[in-house]
Amino acid sequence: DTEVTQTPKHLVMGMTNKKSLKCEQHMGHRAMYWYKQKAKKPPELMFVYSYEKLSINESVPSRFSPECPNSSLLNLHLHALQPEDSALYLCASSQVGGDTQYFGPGTRLTVL
Amino acid sequence: GENVEQHPSTLSVQEGDSAVIKCTYSDSASNYFPWYKQELGKRPQLIIDIRSNVGEKKDQRIAVTLNKTAKHFSLHITETQPEDSAVYFCAARVRTSYDKVIFGPGTSLSVIP
Repeated sequence: DTEVTQTPKHLVMGMTNKKSLKCEQHMGHRAMYWYKQKAKKPPELMFVYSYEKLSINESVPSRFSPECPNSSLLNLHLHALQPEDSALYLCASSQVGGDTQYFGPGTRLTVL
Repeated sequence: GENVEQHPSTLSVQEGDSAVIKCTYSDSASNYFPWYKQELGKRPQLIIDIRSNVGEKKDQRIAVTLNKTAKHFSLHITETQPEDSAVYFCAARVRTSYDKVIFGPGTSLSVIP
């Protein structure tokens, strides 16, 4: 199985809501990533979990909070988002950090 | 700092012609260079990658070349087809306090039937 799955596919939320994005991989990979992608731009790395150690892109605001319950699951908790946070959120995994990454289908997030 | 540049930003070719996309990277320690294709509304998909111990790799109509001295790598697509139309991203692995890949800004390729 070479697939990374993400739920939900689409999410619309208000600025006061709390929601979570979910990602799962069954490839035995030890690194998982969250990316944010705006239209016509490359994916921008937000967080990396590699061998259960979290690394953060320091430009990511604290209203985004990652969680890695186990090596197959990755969540992204959202709280008090802004309209400019509307984007495609992509999860990816790789065998080890920085190696070949396989992307999930993404969650299209709209913040009203 | 870490940077990947990519040219051109848009490319339009006739079906059957070749397309070439060029990238440069700044981190001389980079040793892994993947290429992703992203169709509209879909996820990025790996199409080919190359590691620093080889200078060229080919997979059917797609080839990638790497010049480590000049810190350049290129994607070549031959006999282009309309389904090759997409945005292509080059990337390079960098090693800071953690391993990650840095993406180029992307090339929008249009293949005209």
